[in-house]
Amino acid sequence: TQLLEQSPQFLSIQEGENLTVYCNSSSVFSSLQWYRQEPGEGPVLLVTVVTGGEVKKLKRLTFQFGDARKDSSLHITAAQPGDTGLYLCAEFYNTDKLIFGTGTRLQVFP
Amino acid sequence: ETGVTQTPRHLVMGMTNKKSLKCEQHLGHNAMYWYKQSAKKPLELMFVYNFKEQTENNSVPSRFSPECPNSSHLFLHLHTLQPEDSALYLCASSQMNEQFFGPGTRLTVL
Repeated sequence: TQLLEQSPQFLSIQEGENLTVYCNSSSVFSSLQWYRQEPGEGPVLLVTVVTGGEVKKLKRLTFQFGDARKDSSLHITAAQPGDTGLYLCAEFYNTDKLIFGTGTRLQVFP
Repeated sequence: ETGVTQTPRHLVMGMTNKKSLKCEQHLGHNAMYWYKQSAKKPLELMFVYNFKEQTENNSVPSRFSPECPNSSHLFLHLHTLQPEDSALYLCASSQMNEQFFGPGTRLTVL
């Protein structure tokens, strides 16, 4: 079973700052998903990346998939308090199961 | 609101109690999942059901017993739990490669 390491583990920033979180694997991803989990809720899918080198944007969030498909990053521009939450990367295996990363807990202060 | 509901939202039980967690999905999905989320570990897959049939048991102790009477409902029966079983238990459903999570049941075992 592959291990998905995320960094940093915790991140506290002021509103308006930029940040990047990372997801790294011990082997090649088939496809990678990013989820955000807000306090008291379950994770919600943000994006799926499939092709090496792929870049996807979701408003102020930019997702990048490494060329070798062993890493991914999530960049947030001008963070807002509403971005606060736990960010999880996850990989699908056997078509219907997810392995989740260790998570990055983000706190954005006004 | 993701279309997946879980009850109860909070549960406190002693080690000798028997309780059940309930999950219901209103999305018409064929696959349902139980996950465990504890403070010090990544989100862990416990069980997978496809078309009411269990297709994955991720080495979960027998004190956790799942039941899937139909494609819309999933239960997790709990008995003789240990304090280390205290965690957030999340239910999810999926149709293709996106999983929709419920808000979870916060379980505390005394």
